[in-house]
Amino acid sequence: GQQLNQSPQSMFIQEGEDVSMNCTSSSIFNTWLWYKQDPGEGPVLLIALYKAGELTSNGRLTAQFGITRKDSFLNISASIPSDVGIYFCAGVMNTGFQKLVFGTGTRLLVSP
Amino acid sequence: GAVVSQHPSWVICKSGTSVKIECRSLDFQATTMFWYRQFPKQSLMLMATSNEGSKATYEQGVEKDKFLINHASLTLSTLTVTSAHPEDSSFYICSATSAFSYEQYFGPGTRLTVT
Repeated sequence: GQQLNQSPQSMFIQEGEDVSMNCTSSSIFNTWLWYKQDPGEGPVLLIALYKAGELTSNGRLTAQFGITRKDSFLNISASIPSDVGIYFCAGVMNTGFQKLVFGTGTRLLVSP
Repeated sequence: GAVVSQHPSWVICKSGTSVKIECRSLDFQATTMFWYRQFPKQSLMLMATSNEGSKATYEQGVEKDKFLINHASLTLSTLTVTSAHPEDSSFYICSATSAFSYEQYFGPGTRLTVT
C-alpha cells in the first residue's frame, strides 16, 4: 500500500537537544497528523494540521503543514528521555471514510 | 476523552484455530473503526474500514474471509482471524473516529502469536 516517506529513519540524541523530522508524499493530503508510538502500544495523536502553511504547537512540539500539501515537519525542542519512541506522520485520504496513510516512521532515542 | 480499548492485549493460539479481537470506544460513538496490522519495526498498514451496521471495506490484498470484521454497534468492532497460521502473527491495532472528525484514536494493540 501507499506510504509516506519519513526522514531520518532513526535519531540518537542527547537530552536537551532539539529534534526535527520530515514527512513527504507524492500525493496531496488535506489533513496531516503526527503520532507517537511507544513499544507495544498503539499510536497517540500529537498534533493535527488542517490548513496548508499552518504552524501548530503542542507544548515542546511544533509541526507545520507544507504549502504544497505534500509535506510536513515535526520539531521537538529540549528533548527529554520520555520522548523516546517512534514518530509517525499520517495523511488523511479524502475518501469519505477518512482513511490514513502512514509514514515509514522515525525512531527517536534520547540519551540522558 | 477519546479512549479506545482492545481486548485481549496479547494472545497465543495454535495454528488452525480462530481468534477474536475486540475494539471498543469507551467515551464516544465511533461511526467508523479501522483495523491495522503492524509487523516488527514497520509502519501500520490498514487492513479494513468498518462502519456500524454495514459490511467492512477491505484493502487490496487483505483476505476478507480470513479476517472477519463485525461492527455491531457504535462502540464495538471485532476482528476474527480465522484458521490462523504463523504468518498471521503480528500486532493488530484498531482505531476509531467519530462523525465529522479527521482524528483517529488508537487502541493499545493486540499482539497475536500463532504457534
